[in-house]
Amino acid sequence: GAVVSQHPSRVICKSGTSVKIECRSLDFQATTMFWYRQFPKQSLMLMATSNEGSKATYEQGVEKDKFLINHASLTLSTLTVTSAHPEDSSFYICSASWESRPDNEQFFGPGTRLTVL
Amino acid sequence: QKEVEQNSGPLSVPEGAIASLNCTYSDRGSQSFFWYRQYSGKSPELIMFIYSNGDKEDGRFTAQLNKASQYVSLLIRDSQPSDSATYLCAVTGRRALTFGSGTRLQVQP
Repeated sequence: GAVVSQHPSRVICKSGTSVKIECRSLDFQATTMFWYRQFPKQSLMLMATSNEGSKATYEQGVEKDKFLINHASLTLSTLTVTSAHPEDSSFYICSASWESRPDNEQFFGPGTRLTVL
Repeated sequence: QKEVEQNSGPLSVPEGAIASLNCTYSDRGSQSFFWYRQYSGKSPELIMFIYSNGDKEDGRFTAQLNKASQYVSLLIRDSQPSDSATYLCAVTGRRALTFGSGTRLQVQP
C-alpha cells in the first residue's frame, strides 16, 4: 500500500513554456503532499508543502509565482513550472502523507525529470 | 552549519562486509530519523526509520540513534553489490523532512 505516482516521468520543453507535473496518491488519501527538487549529485531540497484545500507553504527562496502548486483533492497535487528556463532543469519528486501516519513518514513518487532547452 | 550532515563518500566495502553510514543533525528538537536509499535517476525508497535512542534492526539493516550526540547511523550487514546506491539520512522535527546530501556506497564484488 501507500503508492504515489507522478506524471509525466520525463519531460523536455522549450524555454519560456509552462510544464505541469501531477502527483497522485493511488491507495490512500493524502492530507499533505510535498514537492522536492534535486539537482545532479545534490540532495533533495524541499520546495513546498501543500495541504488539501489550502494554499501551499513555500520554502525560503522558492518563487511561488513561478512554481504553482495546487492540491485540489486528497489524491492529487500538481506543480506547474511557469515560464521554464534551463536552470529549472532538475529532478522533481513529490511525496505524500496523511495526518495519522506515525512518525511523519512520507511516501515518494518516482520523480519527474524536467529538461528545459 | 548544515542541518543534516553526511560524508559524501564514496564509501567502498567488499561484498559480504559491514557498511557503516553516519549522519549528524543540528536540531535538538528533531523527533524522527529516516534512512532512504536512492539509486541513480530514481526517487528515494525508505529503508527504515527510528525515533528512540538505541538500535533498531530490520533484516540486514540496523539503525542506531544517539540523541545526546545528535547522531544516527545505518549498518548494512553482508553487503551486496545491489546495495550500491546513495544513502540519504532525513530528519523531522518542527518541519518537514530535511535531507542530508547523502553518502554514496559502493560494494565491490
